Amino acid sequence: GQQLNQSPQSMFIQEGEDVSMNCTSSSIFNTWLWYKQDPGEGPVLLIALYKAGELTSNGRLTAQFGITRKDSFLNISASIPSDVGIYFCAGVTTSGTYKYIFGTGTRLKVLA
Amino acid sequence: ETGVTQTPRHLVMGMTNKKSLKCEQHLGHNAMYWYKQSAKKPLELMFVYNFKEQTENNSVPSRFSPECPNSSHLFLHLHTLQPEDSALYLCASSQAGTSYEQYFGPGTRLTVT
Repeated sequence: GQQLNQSPQSMFIQEGEDVSMNCTSSSIFNTWLWYKQDPGEGPVLLIALYKAGELTSNGRLTAQFGITRKDSFLNISASIPSDVGIYFCAGVTTSGTYKYIFGTGTRLKVLA
Repeated sequence: ETGVTQTPRHLVMGMTNKKSLKCEQHLGHNAMYWYKQSAKKPLELMFVYNFKEQTENNSVPSRFSPECPNSSHLFLHLHTLQPEDSALYLCASSQAGTSYEQYFGPGTRLTVT
């Protein structure tokens, strides 16, 4: 079945550092979604990507839809303590029956 | 209320109880979803409803029974659950056919004793 490999699984960084994480798959997706989840809450949509090569920003967050359509990247610049949480990617296939495939998440911890 | 709401936020139930989880979306979407989130596992899709019709059931045990009376409301009826069913249950909605952006509720933390 379709799988998404998300890396890294976890990371500790110093406040002010930039963060990069990615999702890769052997399958092609039409849409990529990036979410952040705080403890005890539901995932919150951060960025949606619709075209291969697309680069989209949301404040200090920037995400890219890979050219091959099999991967996506999320960068966080100048991290702050409230960036702590779990970041999920989701690939969506929209041809025929649409399907959402979620990554296993990247747990981010920011050291002040 | 805005977005996707879920009640209750926390639920503790015995294995012989019957309870229901409720989800309501205020986004005008046409699709709703139930997910199960367990520790250190990817989100597991349970059920999908499009325009109130169930379009997907991912081999979910019959002790979980969904109900979608209209495109804004979704229920998950629970009975004779097992301790391994303890998890965070998330509801989501989207506008299928256009953006596919999926918006989640805050979840119900379920503990089965």
